[in-house]
Amino acid sequence: SAVISQKPSRDICQRGTSLTIQCQVDSQVTMMFWYRQQPGQSLTLIATANQGSEATYESGFVIDKFPISRPNLTFSTLTVSNMSPEDSSIYLCSVEPGRSTDTQYFGPGTRLTVL
Amino acid sequence: GNSVTQMEGPVTLSEEAFLTINCTYTATGYPSLFWYVQYPGEGLQLLLKATKADDKGSNKGFEATYRKETTSFHLEKGSVQVSDSAVYFCALLNRGGGKLIFGQGTELSVKP
Repeated sequence: SAVISQKPSRDICQRGTSLTIQCQVDSQVTMMFWYRQQPGQSLTLIATANQGSEATYESGFVIDKFPISRPNLTFSTLTVSNMSPEDSSIYLCSVEPGRSTDTQYFGPGTRLTVL
Repeated sequence: GNSVTQMEGPVTLSEEAFLTINCTYTATGYPSLFWYVQYPGEGLQLLLKATKADDKGSNKGFEATYRKETTSFHLEKGSVQVSDSAVYFCALLNRGGGKLIFGQGTELSVKP
């Protein structure tokens, strides 16, 4: 498995501002993922972040709205840009520790409220 | 395409009751199957998994068997506790990793 931390754990933001969420892993991992969980809903993949290449976004998510960085094998950031109340969600990062594990482990999530 | 369907919640049980949460899936190939649990105010924790047909995943008294013939992965526990109150998510992952496909989640509430 892997130990994953996220910062901040929660935040309340104003409409039109941006928030950057950090995800830190205690070991080097190739694949990191960012998910969104809207209130009372299931999880939806935003993008896959691999070190050394641009993030791959799922349908409905664009880089201008959710820019992602992956500077090394233990760290990634997700920015939620120009926020609106519809962006109020829990944002979770996950990692797949190794090619053979075929299992993803999740961070504790960042609870974002946009006013 | 790939999809996961769970029984709708909320499910309310008394302590020590038997639990079943149904999960069926549609997938190309032979995916791995997972149950994740989300306790109130927390992130997702992996509860159990199975990677091939007839595999049984188990953890903390919970079990689920990968049934290829019925494309199901139902979660069971013989005697639930108040501390099991949480939202349970069934999910699949196609071979080679990547995108987890989640069911809609089932909220379980266990009353003393």
